[in-house]
Amino acid sequence: EVQLVESGGGLVQPGRSLRLSCTTSGFIFGDYAMSWVRQAPGKELEWVSFIKSKLYGGTTDYAASVKGRFTISRDDSKNIAYLQMNSLKTEDTAVYYCTRGRELLEYWGRGTLVTVSS
Amino acid sequence: DIVMTQSPDSLAVSLGERATINCKSSQSVLYSSDNKNYLAWYQHKPGQPPKLLIYWASTRESGVPNRFSGSGSGTDFTLTISRLQADDVAVYYCHQYFTTPYTFGQGTKLEI
Repeated sequence: EVQLVESGGGLVQPGRSLRLSCTTSGFIFGDYAMSWVRQAPGKELEWVSFIKSKLYGGTTDYAASVKGRFTISRDDSKNIAYLQMNSLKTEDTAVYYCTRGRELLEYWGRGTLVTVSS
Repeated sequence: DIVMTQSPDSLAVSLGERATINCKSSQSVLYSSDNKNYLAWYQHKPGQPPKLLIYWASTRESGVPNRFSGSGSGTDFTLTISRLQADDVAVYYCHQYFTTPYTFGQGTKLEI
């Protein structure tokens, strides 16, 4: 059974950093791209970032709203995807979902809440 | 960026009836080289992660009941839920994966 479990969320002050982890099981992690999608309170889903598999160069891409502040990475030996979030802003407050895939988001974790507030 | 606009924002449908949700993209998501529409539909229930229902505009994900169907091409798409069940109450999102930044519609809240 495919499972994705996010962790690392919490309350953080503006300007600080946080690293989210997505621990996966039930599939060959290295074969798949991984993505992060977020949902701010009362808002629609927003794509944040993806990282391709090493087979496809591990290429990354980011939404303009997070580019230069967030970094996605992966550790294929541990089956974990990460989202390093720096210089956090209040508008980054959201539930962050880890998903398997890049274009088609077939499996999702339950999400982790990030609250950016002073 | 491709803007995805759904209509209506919310709708109430009786059990057993049909629900129709529309999605319009600000530019075509039909890729000419493979003749595929890079458009998906997701169902999002409170407290749960979103669930992929339809991709390539009309291909049902494995395990999704055939009451759910997708149609459309280019810039105009429709999700139809026939014979509505209580379990279908959710917010439905269209999503374009034609080009980054991948974008979602604002969501349509479906109620009984």
